[in-house]
Amino acid sequence: DAGVIQSPRHEVTEMGQEVTLRCKPISGHNSLFWYRQTMMRGLELLIYFNNNVPIDDSGMPEDRFSAKMPNASFSTLKIQPSEPRDSAVYFCASSYRGPILQETQYFGPGTRLLVL
Amino acid sequence: AQKITQTQPGMFVQEKEAVTLDCTYDTSDPSYGLFWYKQPSSGEMIFLIYQGSYDQQNATEGRYSLNFQKARKSANLVISASQLGDSAMYFCAMRELTGNQFYFGTGTSLTVIP
Repeated sequence: DAGVIQSPRHEVTEMGQEVTLRCKPISGHNSLFWYRQTMMRGLELLIYFNNNVPIDDSGMPEDRFSAKMPNASFSTLKIQPSEPRDSAVYFCASSYRGPILQETQYFGPGTRLLVL
Repeated sequence: AQKITQTQPGMFVQEKEAVTLDCTYDTSDPSYGLFWYKQPSSGEMIFLIYQGSYDQQNATEGRYSLNFQKARKSANLVISASQLGDSAMYFCAMRELTGNQFYFGTGTSLTVIP
Protein backbone atom coordinates (compact mmCIF):
# COMPACT_ATOMS: atom_id res chain seq x y z
CA ASP A 1 0.00 0.00 0.00
CA ALA A 2 1.24 3.46 -0.84
CA GLY A 3 1.83 5.67 2.13
CA VAL A 4 1.65 9.43 2.22
CA ILE A 5 3.47 10.82 -0.78
CA GLN A 6 5.24 14.16 -0.70
CA SER A 7 7.04 16.03 -3.41
CA PRO A 8 9.60 17.30 -3.86
CA ARG A 9 11.77 15.50 -1.34
CA HIS A 10 14.34 18.28 -1.41
CA GLU A 11 14.01 21.88 -2.47
CA VAL A 12 16.66 24.56 -2.61
CA THR A 13 15.52 28.02 -3.56
CA GLU A 14 16.50 31.64 -3.24
CA MET A 15 14.90 34.12 -0.94
CA GLY A 16 11.87 35.72 -2.49
CA GLN A 17 10.95 32.78 -4.67
CA GLU A 18 7.66 30.93 -4.46
CA VAL A 19 7.78 27.40 -3.09
CA THR A 20 5.04 24.82 -3.50
CA LEU A 21 5.03 21.60 -1.53
CA ARG A 22 2.72 18.78 -2.52
CA CYS A 23 1.08 15.95 -0.65
CA LYS A 24 -1.01 12.94 -1.55
CA PRO A 25 -2.63 11.40 1.53
CA ILE A 26 -3.40 7.74 2.02
CA SER A 27 -6.51 6.73 0.15
CA GLY A 28 -9.55 6.68 2.44
CA HIS A 29 -8.10 9.06 4.99
CA ASN A 30 -10.21 12.13 5.64
CA SER A 31 -7.82 14.27 7.67
CA LEU A 32 -4.61 15.86 6.47
CA PHE A 33 -1.99 17.71 8.46
CA TRP A 34 0.95 19.91 7.54
CA TYR A 35 3.83 20.12 10.02
CA ARG A 36 7.12 21.96 10.07
CA GLN A 37 10.15 20.64 11.94
CA THR A 38 13.25 22.60 12.90
CA MET A 39 15.92 22.06 15.49
CA MET A 40 14.93 25.22 17.31
CA ARG A 41 11.16 24.82 17.36
CA GLY A 42 10.66 21.09 17.07
CA LEU A 43 7.55 19.75 15.35
CA GLU A 44 4.93 22.42 14.73
CA LEU A 45 1.44 21.91 13.36
CA LEU A 46 0.80 24.43 10.62
CA ILE A 47 -2.69 23.53 9.46
CA TYR A 48 -5.02 20.60 9.26
CA PHE A 49 -7.94 19.70 7.05
CA ASN A 50 -10.91 17.48 7.68
CA ASN A 51 -12.87 16.33 4.64
CA ASN A 52 -10.90 18.85 2.55
CA VAL A 53 -11.96 21.76 4.75
CA PRO A 54 -9.34 23.70 6.74
CA ILE A 55 -10.18 23.28 10.40
CA ASP A 56 -7.33 25.02 12.18
CA ASP A 57 -4.72 27.19 10.52
CA SER A 58 -3.59 28.97 13.67
CA GLY A 59 -0.14 27.47 13.26
CA MET A 60 0.48 29.07 9.90
CA PRO A 61 3.31 31.53 10.56
CA GLU A 62 2.08 34.42 8.50
CA ASP A 63 0.34 35.44 5.33
CA ARG A 64 3.23 34.21 3.24
CA PHE A 65 2.02 30.69 3.93
CA SER A 66 -1.10 29.24 2.37
CA ALA A 67 -2.50 25.73 2.07
CA LYS A 68 -5.17 24.20 -0.09
CA MET A 69 -6.86 20.87 -0.40
CA PRO A 70 -8.89 20.90 -3.62
CA ASN A 71 -9.85 17.25 -3.29
CA ALA A 72 -9.43 14.26 -1.02
CA SER A 73 -6.25 13.09 -2.71
CA PHE A 74 -4.17 16.23 -2.98
CA SER A 75 -2.96 19.14 -0.91
CA THR A 76 -0.44 21.93 -1.38
CA LEU A 77 1.46 24.17 0.97
CA LYS A 78 2.72 27.35 -0.66
CA ILE A 79 5.23 29.87 0.62
CA GLN A 80 5.35 33.16 -1.22
CA PRO A 81 7.76 34.87 -0.91
CA SER A 82 10.11 32.45 0.80
CA GLU A 83 12.64 33.57 3.41
CA PRO A 84 15.73 31.88 4.86
CA ARG A 85 13.92 31.32 8.18
CA ASP A 86 11.45 29.09 6.35
CA SER A 87 14.19 26.50 5.94
CA ALA A 88 12.91 23.34 7.62
CA VAL A 89 11.56 19.89 6.99
CA TYR A 90 7.89 20.01 6.08
CA PHE A 91 5.84 16.91 6.80
CA CYS A 92 2.45 15.99 5.53
CA ALA A 93 0.47 13.42 7.51
CA SER A 94 -2.93 11.86 7.07
CA SER A 95 -5.35 9.96 9.26
CA TYR A 96 -8.91 8.75 9.36
CA ARG A 97 -11.06 10.72 11.74
CA GLY A 98 -13.75 8.60 13.25
CA PRO A 99 -14.99 7.28 16.55
CA ILE A 100 -11.99 5.02 16.78
CA LEU A 101 -9.11 6.88 18.36
CA GLN A 102 -6.63 4.24 17.35
CA GLU A 103 -6.50 5.53 13.80
CA THR A 104 -3.09 7.05 13.91
CA GLN A 105 -1.42 9.65 11.75
CA TYR A 106 0.82 8.39 9.02
CA PHE A 107 3.58 10.69 7.94
CA GLY A 108 5.07 11.29 4.55
CA PRO A 109 8.85 11.27 4.09
CA GLY A 110 9.01 15.05 4.37
CA THR A 111 10.30 17.83 2.14
CA ARG A 112 13.62 19.34 3.13
CA LEU A 113 13.45 23.01 2.20
CA LEU A 114 16.48 25.26 2.11
CA VAL A 115 15.99 28.93 1.34
CA LEU A 116 19.21 30.74 0.55
CA ALA B 1 -0.36 24.22 29.63
CA GLN B 2 1.53 21.77 27.51
CA LYS B 3 -0.58 18.90 26.32
CA ILE B 4 2.39 16.54 26.06
CA THR B 5 5.55 16.81 28.13
CA GLN B 6 8.72 14.87 27.51
CA THR B 7 11.26 15.86 30.13
CA GLN B 8 14.25 13.91 28.83
CA PRO B 9 15.96 15.70 25.96
CA GLY B 10 18.53 12.93 25.66
CA MET B 11 18.97 9.40 26.95
CA PHE B 12 21.72 6.81 26.70
CA VAL B 13 21.32 3.08 27.07
CA GLN B 14 23.66 0.14 26.78
CA GLU B 15 22.91 -2.28 23.99
CA LYS B 16 20.64 -5.14 25.11
CA GLU B 17 19.44 -3.19 28.15
CA ALA B 18 15.91 -1.84 28.62
CA VAL B 19 15.15 1.87 28.61
CA THR B 20 12.13 3.93 29.61
CA LEU B 21 11.24 7.17 27.86
CA ASP B 22 8.94 9.41 29.85
CA CYS B 23 5.79 11.10 28.67
CA THR B 24 3.12 12.93 30.63
CA TYR B 25 -0.02 14.41 29.18
CA ASP B 26 -2.74 16.88 30.06
CA THR B 27 -6.35 16.54 29.03
CA SER B 28 -9.82 16.85 30.48
CA ASP B 29 -11.33 14.68 27.76
CA PRO B 30 -12.12 11.20 29.13
CA SER B 31 -11.55 9.69 25.68
CA TYR B 32 -8.13 10.04 24.18
CA GLY B 33 -5.40 8.08 22.49
CA LEU B 34 -1.69 8.12 23.11
CA PHE B 35 0.91 7.39 20.45
CA TRP B 36 4.65 6.99 20.21
CA TYR B 37 6.65 7.72 17.08
CA LYS B 38 10.27 7.06 16.20
CA GLN B 39 12.28 9.40 14.01
CA PRO B 40 15.65 7.97 12.95
CA SER B 41 18.37 10.15 11.50
CA SER B 42 16.96 9.54 8.03
CA GLY B 43 14.05 11.75 9.06
CA GLU B 44 10.90 9.72 8.56
CA MET B 45 8.33 9.50 11.35
CA ILE B 46 7.48 5.92 12.19
CA PHE B 47 4.44 4.96 14.26
CA LEU B 48 5.37 2.56 17.05
CA ILE B 49 2.56 1.97 19.49
CA TYR B 50 -0.89 3.12 20.60
CA GLN B 51 -2.72 3.21 23.94
CA GLY B 52 -6.37 4.13 24.34
CA SER B 53 -7.63 5.83 27.46
CA TYR B 54 -10.09 3.02 28.14
CA ASP B 55 -7.68 0.19 27.49
CA GLN B 56 -7.34 -1.96 30.57
CA GLN B 57 -4.01 -3.43 29.63
CA ASN B 58 -0.75 -1.79 28.68
CA ALA B 59 -0.10 -1.87 24.95
CA THR B 60 2.75 -3.97 23.62
CA GLU B 61 4.28 -4.24 20.16
CA GLY B 62 7.27 -6.50 19.99
CA ARG B 63 10.06 -4.93 22.03
CA TYR B 64 7.96 -1.83 22.67
CA SER B 65 5.55 -1.55 25.55
CA LEU B 66 3.68 1.36 26.99
CA ASN B 67 3.56 1.85 30.74
CA PHE B 68 0.19 3.56 31.03
CA GLN B 69 -0.62 5.12 34.40
CA LYS B 70 -3.89 6.91 33.91
CA ALA B 71 -4.14 8.51 37.34
CA ARG B 72 -0.68 10.01 36.91
CA LYS B 73 -1.39 10.91 33.29
CA SER B 74 1.76 9.24 32.14
CA ALA B 75 2.42 7.04 29.13
CA ASN B 76 6.04 5.98 29.23
CA LEU B 77 7.56 3.98 26.40
CA VAL B 78 9.64 0.99 27.39
CA ILE B 79 12.06 -0.47 24.88
CA SER B 80 13.42 -3.84 25.90
CA ALA B 81 16.68 -5.37 24.69
CA SER B 82 17.88 -2.16 23.04
CA GLN B 83 19.52 -2.43 19.67
CA LEU B 84 21.83 -0.02 17.88
CA GLY B 85 19.04 0.66 15.40
CA ASP B 86 16.90 2.04 18.20
CA SER B 87 19.05 5.17 18.28
CA ALA B 88 16.63 7.89 17.19
CA MET B 89 14.32 10.64 18.36
CA TYR B 90 11.16 9.45 20.02
CA PHE B 91 7.99 11.52 20.13
CA CYS B 92 4.96 11.06 22.34
CA ALA B 93 1.63 12.30 20.97
CA MET B 94 -1.99 12.48 22.02
CA ARG B 95 -5.30 12.78 20.22
CA GLU B 96 -8.49 13.73 22.04
CA LEU B 97 -11.82 12.38 20.85
CA THR B 98 -13.40 15.82 20.92
CA GLY B 99 -10.83 17.23 18.54
CA ASN B 100 -8.79 15.93 15.68
CA GLN B 101 -5.49 17.57 16.33
CA PHE B 102 -2.55 15.47 17.39
CA TYR B 103 -0.42 17.05 20.11
CA PHE B 104 3.27 16.17 20.03
CA GLY B 105 5.93 16.40 22.69
CA THR B 106 9.36 17.86 22.11
CA GLY B 107 10.93 14.47 21.76
CA THR B 108 13.67 12.43 23.44
CA SER B 109 16.89 11.59 21.67
CA LEU B 110 17.92 8.03 22.45
CA THR B 111 21.44 6.79 21.86
CA VAL B 112 22.20 3.11 22.17
CA ILE B 113 25.79 2.44 23.15
CA PRO B 114 27.47 -0.74 21.91
